[in-house]
Amino acid sequence: GNSVTQMEGPVTLSEEAFLTINCTYTATGYPSLFWYVQYPGEGLQLLLKATKADDKGSNKGFEATYRKETTSFHLEKGSVQVSDSAVYFCALSDHRSGGSNYKLTFGKGTLLTVNP
Amino acid sequence: DAGVIQSPRHEVTEMGQEVTLRCKPISGHNSLFWYRQTMMRGLELLIYFNNNVPIDDSGMPEDRFSAKMPNASFSTLKIQPSEPRDSAVYFCASSTGTGREKLFFGSGTQLSVL
Repeated sequence: GNSVTQMEGPVTLSEEAFLTINCTYTATGYPSLFWYVQYPGEGLQLLLKATKADDKGSNKGFEATYRKETTSFHLEKGSVQVSDSAVYFCALSDHRSGGSNYKLTFGKGTLLTVNP
Repeated sequence: DAGVIQSPRHEVTEMGQEVTLRCKPISGHNSLFWYRQTMMRGLELLIYFNNNVPIDDSGMPEDRFSAKMPNASFSTLKIQPSEPRDSAVYFCASSTGTGREKLFFGSGTQLSVL
């Protein structure tokens, strides 16, 4: 079945530091890949996505590139801010014909804390 | 746009009691999802509705859980009887299509079963 593995948290950084959160996946079809962010006390929000190999998703200074050869979708940001403190979830949906492409499979989440 | 609205935000109940969680999806969205979030298991899809019809309930833990969507603007998730292991944050999410694109999540219901 499909699965998503994220690096264990928590991750603690100083403001303006470089961020990488690793994500690898297992899927038998042709998944779309997503990063969702959850701020304290809120639901998840889509941060960025990529729908095919070599696509780069980007938003709010965050980037992730769909790497089919390494089955990875690592999240990066060059300079984090205190306001980026949140839980980040990697997710996939499988587009196989007849498959449950509506079903997002989530990683367990990575807590990021950015200190001033 | 008010977003996906869930109620209550917090629910504390005793084991054996019935619990009902409510969700109002975004107007115009035809897909609705119920997720459960725990530290141990992360985010789990419980059930998915499309055009008010349950499409896949394979994630519903057991017969104690039931979900309904009587119309396009309202859904409920009921647990009867509740057990301490049901303690979790329950999220409702909606989308315009099959759900493989962007999901809009509510703020969740924090359920504690004592």
